[in-house]
Amino acid sequence: EAEVAQSPRYKITEKSQAVAFWCDPISGHATLYWYRQILGQGPELLVQFQDESVVDDSQLPKDRFSAERLKGVDSTLKIQPAELGDSAMYLCASSFETQMYEQYFGPGTRLTVT
Amino acid sequence: AQKVTQAQTEISVVEKEDVTLDCVYETRDTTYYLFWYKQPPSGELVFLIRRNSFDEQNEISGRYSWNFQKSTSSFNFTITASQVVDSAVYFCALSGYGGATNKLIFGTGTLLAVQP
Repeated sequence: EAEVAQSPRYKITEKSQAVAFWCDPISGHATLYWYRQILGQGPELLVQFQDESVVDDSQLPKDRFSAERLKGVDSTLKIQPAELGDSAMYLCASSFETQMYEQYFGPGTRLTVT
Repeated sequence: AQKVTQAQTEISVVEKEDVTLDCVYETRDTTYYLFWYKQPPSGELVFLIRRNSFDEQNEISGRYSWNFQKSTSSFNFTITASQVVDSAVYFCALSGYGGATNKLIFGTGTLLAVQP
């Protein structure tokens, strides 16, 4: 069964350092999402791509976060500089198209900022 | 604004008991989707069900069943004869219909602990 791949699974970094996460969606899925899940809460959307274009990044803290999906396949989410409040689970999801298709999630990257 | 409320923070049951997880949502949209996801300790969100707002028929899948009541804005999830493997955090979520984006609005989740 096809799965969304993410790496690394765990990342510990010091504040003010740069960190990057990678996501490879299910083959053929045009839509890719990055969510952030703070401990004890539900995930919240950071950015949504349709192919290589950003559809929604209204909740992305653009002063320190950036996301790209250059060839419309895999994607990278970067934080620079990391802050203590960025400690969370970062989840990537993909869907075949935007509407009427469920989102499938990867295993996530758990980030700890010290 | 869209909002999902899962008032039950944590539920503990003994194996083989039935358990219902509550979900109440708010939206101004006339058409929307509702979802349930399961998050085991490994962290990955597992899709369970999607229901659109114009289909209020309840659904059963094995030990799982869902009760959608538009009149009360609720989409409750029942596990019959619970098992230890059902232990996880369960999230209810809402998304819009139409337009370029369909981000999921999640509730805060309900932690279900099934004791042997």
